[in-house]
Parts: sequence; C-alpha cells; structure tokens
Amino acid sequence: GAVVSQHPSWVICKSGTSVKIECRSLDFQATTMFWYRQFPKKSLMLMATSNEGSKATYEQGVEKDKFLINHASLTLSTLTVTSAHPEDSSFYICSAPRIAGGIDEQFFGPGTRLTVL
Amino acid sequence: KQEVTQIPAALSVPEGENLVLNCSFTDSAIYNLQWFRQDPGKGLTSLLLIQSSQREQTSGRLNASLDKSSGRSTLYIAASQPGDSATYLCAVTGSSSYKLIFGSGTRLLVRP
Repeated sequence: GAVVSQHPSWVICKSGTSVKIECRSLDFQATTMFWYRQFPKKSLMLMATSNEGSKATYEQGVEKDKFLINHASLTLSTLTVTSAHPEDSSFYICSAPRIAGGIDEQFFGPGTRLTVL
Repeated sequence: KQEVTQIPAALSVPEGENLVLNCSFTDSAIYNLQWFRQDPGKGLTSLLLIQSSQREQTSGRLNASLDKSSGRSTLYIAASQPGDSATYLCAVTGSSSYKLIFGSGTRLLVRP
C-alpha cells in the first residue's frame, strides 16, 4: 500500500511552547490530507481537512488559531499546536487519500504522540 | 449526520476461532467503507476497502461484507491468531468528500 509518514513520532514539550508535526505522502501526491486526534482507548476524531493551495477546513469545535495547518506542497501538510497546554496532550494522526483507478483509499501515518508538561 | 457504530466494543476469543465484527452506519449514502487495524500506540493499517457498488472484499483470512441498504458491514476473521489482537475500526466516506467517519472500534484479544 501507499506510505504516509509523520515526524516526529513523539514529542515532549513545555506548556506554552509550539510544536510542529509533519505529514508526508511518500509515494503519491495528495491535494487533501486529514488531521485526527485520538484519546486513549477512543476512536479518531477528525480535526481538520488540509487543502493544498487553500485554507484548511476545521471541524466544529476545533480552534483554528490553536491548531495551525499548512499544506505546503502536494506531499506535505503540517500541523502546529500553538501555545500548547497539558490538555493538548494526545495522539495526532494524519491521513491522505490516494486515488487510483477511480478508487480513493485513505492511508494513515504512524501517528505522533504529544505530551505537554 | 452520519454516525458509525461498532459492536462489540471488546472481544476475547481463543486462538483458532472464527469471528465476526460488526459495523453499522446511519446514512446509507456512502461512497466506500474501509476496515482498519490499529495496534496500541500506532497508526492505522488499511485492511479492506469496499466500494458502495460492491458487496464484499477478501484478503487472506479476512472477509468484509457490505449491505448498504441496511447500513451494515461485517468483518469476518477466519482461524484467528494471537497476532490478530488489535483494535479494528470501520469508517465510511460520503459521496461528497474524502472525510472518513469512524466507529468507536472493537478491541480484539486472541488468546493463545
């Protein structure tokens, strides 16, 4: 299957700092990528849709000024958690749809575990 | 608003058993349905994708079926192995976007 990478795989930061997470589609181009958040033993919650060349679309209740998304190229989207607080500690996962033969299938990155002290 | 439900929430079986995981969705106007596997602390691995026009897909010991009209999908795992222990998630996409709507998952434990 297609490969989506995330960097870093884990990060620990102090409260008040900003953290950037990268999501890359390694072997296909993605004009759209998605960012999810997952709490322990819970399912994935869609945060926002990252759109190459335009603004991200945020889900209801997600602060766009808190979670900055930039889709810099057809293979890279970044999520920046600004002024991080302990309640932002979570597992963040990105995905990208690959369209082949008229079928779109979502491929996920390995996730980034963020711990805010 | 699309809602996806998975039953059971957790399942523990002895090795070798065949098992069925259930997924239901409230809006039958889906584009496709995917089953994923997630190991603890890891990302998601796509297992099977069923397009809305299909009724089932098979990969190895896995078989997924889709009944769009009733809003149901099942994932059948044959001859379960301890390595199958993971959380299994189903998700659907609507016809107007690539957004995936996830169920809450089924945590599977296959005991040796």
